[in-house]
Amino acid sequence: GEDVEQSLFLSVREGDSSVINCTYTDSSSTYLYWYKQEPGAGLQLLTYIFSNMDMKQDQRLTVLLNKKDKHLSLRIADTQTGDSAIYFCAESIARGDTGRRALTFGSGTRLQVQP
Amino acid sequence: DTGVSQNPRHKITKRGQNVTFRCDPISEHNRLYWYRQTLGQGPEFLTYFQNEAQLEKSRLLSDRFSAERPKGSFSTLEIQRTEQGDSAMYLCASSQTRGQKETQYFGPGTRLLVL
Repeated sequence: GEDVEQSLFLSVREGDSSVINCTYTDSSSTYLYWYKQEPGAGLQLLTYIFSNMDMKQDQRLTVLLNKKDKHLSLRIADTQTGDSAIYFCAESIARGDTGRRALTFGSGTRLQVQP
Repeated sequence: DTGVSQNPRHKITKRGQNVTFRCDPISEHNRLYWYRQTLGQGPEFLTYFQNEAQLEKSRLLSDRFSAERPKGSFSTLEIQRTEQGDSAMYLCASSQTRGQKETQYFGPGTRLLVL
């Protein structure tokens, strides 16, 4: 079955690191994504990781993947007030004969950055 | 700006009315997805096009919903006889596949409120 779970809320102080966690259940996931959503807006792609990697770094963002435990995390270094948003973890699996790779999303983690 | 665009951004309608939303994907993208997002949840897959062909529809998509992508470019999503439960954010995403990699880019969404 497909299920992606995230904690609902995280509060950090400006300048600290934030770590947002995600677990998924489908071991056939090929790519895993992190999207950011600000109030009233669409989803902005932050970063992604291929399932045969265990780490990816992109400026202030570090993604860690533990495939054995089906655990994904997003670390934001030097968190800023502009990072306050909802962060969604999503998995992509090719399904059926159509090749569709619709994303399965978690419920999102609301990150609040306090000055 | 060559991102995904959606119109209108907001729509308020009375129960029983029909509504139509439009999505303009990134021009070279051959795949187009529609998702629905309700408050406090992540987006859920509705339907998928590859070029002009609608290849898959979710069980969430009742008979009152219809989507088209007539020339493989823009897409429309129509909801007939709207119900209050249709109130949600409707998100469009487009992508171009490269092997197993497919990165979906989202539009800003159309927020629907059914009174």
